[in-house]
Amino acid sequence: RKEVEQDPGPFNVPEGATVAFNCTYSNSASQSFFWYRQDCRKEPKLLMSVYSSGNEDGRFTAQLNRASQYISLLIRDSKLSDSATYLCVVASYNQGGKLIFGQGTELSVKP
Amino acid sequence: EADIYQTPRYLVIGTGKKITLECSQTMGHDKMYWYQQDPGMELHLIHYSYGVNSTEKGDLSSESTVSRIRTEHFPLTLESARPSHTSQYLCASSELRGSGGTDTQYFGPGTRLTVL
Repeated sequence: RKEVEQDPGPFNVPEGATVAFNCTYSNSASQSFFWYRQDCRKEPKLLMSVYSSGNEDGRFTAQLNRASQYISLLIRDSKLSDSATYLCVVASYNQGGKLIFGQGTELSVKP
Repeated sequence: EADIYQTPRYLVIGTGKKITLECSQTMGHDKMYWYQQDPGMELHLIHYSYGVNSTEKGDLSSESTVSRIRTEHFPLTLESARPSHTSQYLCASSELRGSGGTDTQYFGPGTRLTVL
């Protein structure tokens, strides 16, 4: 079983749609959680960190459920420019703080 | 934009050649990392460093080696390239945030390696 598992994609949605990505992690000692965005043939870039209380950044909302070892990302009013692969990332200090990446979920927003 | 650079961006080379992929950052980060990513697949950590003279192997076994003689520089070397080494290699560095100790990793643009 992979340490970080994400919804298989791709997600094809129309502009303006709300889309939710789910992610589960297996290491209960995980302490830091992130969503990264990776455009085609580009490097990953941090989208947002995920905090226990949940956090929002504009149209993006991230939630963490430690009991269920589950992370989510909600994108409201999706734009064409949101098309990318979204990577769920987890770090554990019992693994030296290394980041463990999920395989990513591809999002394609259509006009 | 993060100040982390990789050269070359693209490299096509024959089997058996020795290659070095360069990575440098000007942010003064202590931690640096090398990842390997095949198209459509997840990133796999192959090497990391917590500072000068520190190098560790990552989760994915790799025939490459790394060195960290200067804080800003973390080159990766393949002594004898093979077609199985064809992949994208991404370098990253991280800072240690104050609250909660969370690390944000900044990635370079990557080197796309093709071994014929």
